[in-house]
Amino acid sequence: KQEVTQIPAALSVPEGENLVLNCSFTDSAIYNLQWFRQDPGKGLTSLLLIQSSQREQTSGRLNASLDKSSGRSTLYIAASQPGDSATYLCALPSTGSARQLTFGSGTQLTVLP
Amino acid sequence: EAGVAQSPRYKIIEKRQSVAFWCNPISGHATLYWYQQILGQGPKLLIQFQNNGVVDDSQLPKDRFSAERLKGVDSTLKIQPAKLEDSAVYLCASSSTTAHTGELFFGEGSRLTVL
Repeated sequence: KQEVTQIPAALSVPEGENLVLNCSFTDSAIYNLQWFRQDPGKGLTSLLLIQSSQREQTSGRLNASLDKSSGRSTLYIAASQPGDSATYLCALPSTGSARQLTFGSGTQLTVLP
Repeated sequence: EAGVAQSPRYKIIEKRQSVAFWCNPISGHATLYWYQQILGQGPKLLIQFQNNGVVDDSQLPKDRFSAERLKGVDSTLKIQPAKLEDSAVYLCASSSTTAHTGELFFGEGSRLTVL
């Protein structure tokens, strides 16, 4: 059974700082990994999807990397802004026949002005 | 392109009452999911539909939860009777494919408070 861990649970940084969020998983036989953003009281917004054959994906100031052998993914946010404040979750589909995502508990990011 | 629509956004009920949530997926998306997210945790899958058929409902508490997707488009999730521990956000998501390479798109969720 896939287990997904995100550490730290909360992170506070000053505006402009570059930061890294971590996601680790126990079963390296994955199809892909998806990073989501969740604002308070809102649903999940997909940020990046990395296929198992890829090492990284970039979108604007966001860069996600994937290392299957070590069971890790990182989400790098460059030049953080107060608008980046949200909870960031990573999720992976199970390796079973049903495509269900297993989520981490998320990292709550606060970017201070 | 319209996103995943959910209603109501908020619902407060007393325990043992019933509640229903509605979801309209992105047009053309065959796969629909209901997730439960308890405060401070990641979402947990309740049920997955492919068109109007159930693919996986192994984590759905069937003694009180039910879901249907008539005509393979809209879906409703019902809880009857509700318990205090059902207080959570119920998220609907859709995907254009069941393939593991597909991307999921989520609605804004329905927040349930059971008193």
